Amino acid sequence: EAQVTQNPRYLITVTGKKLTVTCSQNMNHEYMSWYRQDPGLGLRQIYYSMNVEVTDKGDVPEGYKVSRKEKRNFPLILESPSPNQTSLYFCASRDRGGEKLFFGSGTQLSVL
Amino acid sequence: AQRVTQPEKLLSVFKGAPVELKCNYSYSGSPELFWYVQYSRQRLQLLLRHISRESIKGFTADLNKGETSFHLKKPFAQEEDSAMYYCALSGRGSGNTGKLIFGQGTTLQVKP
Repeated sequence: EAQVTQNPRYLITVTGKKLTVTCSQNMNHEYMSWYRQDPGLGLRQIYYSMNVEVTDKGDVPEGYKVSRKEKRNFPLILESPSPNQTSLYFCASRDRGGEKLFFGSGTQLSVL
Repeated sequence: AQRVTQPEKLLSVFKGAPVELKCNYSYSGSPELFWYVQYSRQRLQLLLRHISRESIKGFTADLNKGETSFHLKKPFAQEEDSAMYYCALSGRGSGNTGKLIFGQGTTLQVKP
């Protein structure tokens, strides 16, 4: 089944403890992206990647890192999480030239 | 600046009533507009896009460049339409990074 898989679904951590949220897609998509969803603010883009080894900042990149060593994987790294990064995170992918974004099921992160 | 505005956080209607979810955008070029939907406990998914001029699940949306709007409409709401709806914008052209800008989202609640 074609899909975008995120792990974990839920994560509770403490301030300053490094964490990684994984994202993998099995559709051979070139474009991948991370969003955070906050009440009243909608979806905001954190980072995106047009292809392997090509990443760029979105609208709210501060405090996050990403890497794209392989086409299928696009992990989101929080080196030193802070409480303002408590949010619902979505990974998404699409093919080059495609209009439709495929979303993962989301990761609810709480930073205490 | 590129911006998508959904003025209503919550829209509550009775089953069978008409629905209009408002979306206004700001974009200097030629935009592509989309509606994404998130049903309870499900991932975000594409509902429709203005290029296709299609009707999905009874919903339609017309791009009005004069009013810079892309309102989502359905003549008779159903309970299963209850969900969070996001309007999104993407820029066309060779420089298009595929970045989608999302509005703040509108929760549609259809009461029996």
